[in-house]
Amino acid sequence: DGGITQSPKYLFRKEGQNVTLSCEQNLNHDAMYWYRQDPGQGLRLIYYSQIVNDFQKGDIAEGYSVSREKKESFPLTVTSAQKNPTAFYLCASSKGQGMTEAFFGQGTRLTVV
Amino acid sequence: GQQLNQSPQSMFIQEGEDVSMNCTSSSIFNTWLWYKQDPGEGPVLLIALYKAGELTSNGRLTAQFGITRKDSFLNISASIPSDVGIYFCAGILTGGGNKLTFGTGTQLKVEL
Repeated sequence: DGGITQSPKYLFRKEGQNVTLSCEQNLNHDAMYWYRQDPGQGLRLIYYSQIVNDFQKGDIAEGYSVSREKKESFPLTVTSAQKNPTAFYLCASSKGQGMTEAFFGQGTRLTVV
Repeated sequence: GQQLNQSPQSMFIQEGEDVSMNCTSSSIFNTWLWYKQDPGEGPVLLIALYKAGELTSNGRLTAQFGITRKDSFLNISASIPSDVGIYFCAGILTGGGNKLTFGTGTQLKVEL
């Protein structure tokens, strides 16, 4: 089945450690996005990529890094510089140019302990 | 970053009632999307709108792309318990590089 997969579903991290969240899609989509969601709030854009080997900062990129070496994959690293990393992280993808409907993965809940 | 104003923030309605929510922006959007999110899950796309004035239905859901291109509306008719969740609007700015901006969400609760 075609879709977008995030892993793991739940992740625990000690303070000061970097952690990488996985996002894979087999929809042949050009564009991929990472959002952060805090309790009772909307989605805020961290990074997005419109094409392989290219990405742009979103509204809250500080403390995060991404790579886009393959069309199917857009991993997000939450670094130790992120002051408040506990949140629900959502990855999405869309065809990019023209068709712009974005489809989401199931999310990763990151908790810093 | 760009913000979308979504209202109401929450709604508590009786089963069978109709529901309306809206989203407004100070900027012009060329696409409006409506999503529903269940707790602990990713948002699921409900309706996509691409032209000003467009009215689109998906079952009991109807959404409209405002004529000014700065707002959108979602209506749910004859609500049922499984309509419970958070509804988000999302827009793509003209010239915004396909970057989606989300509203703050409307939490819907349905009373039996």
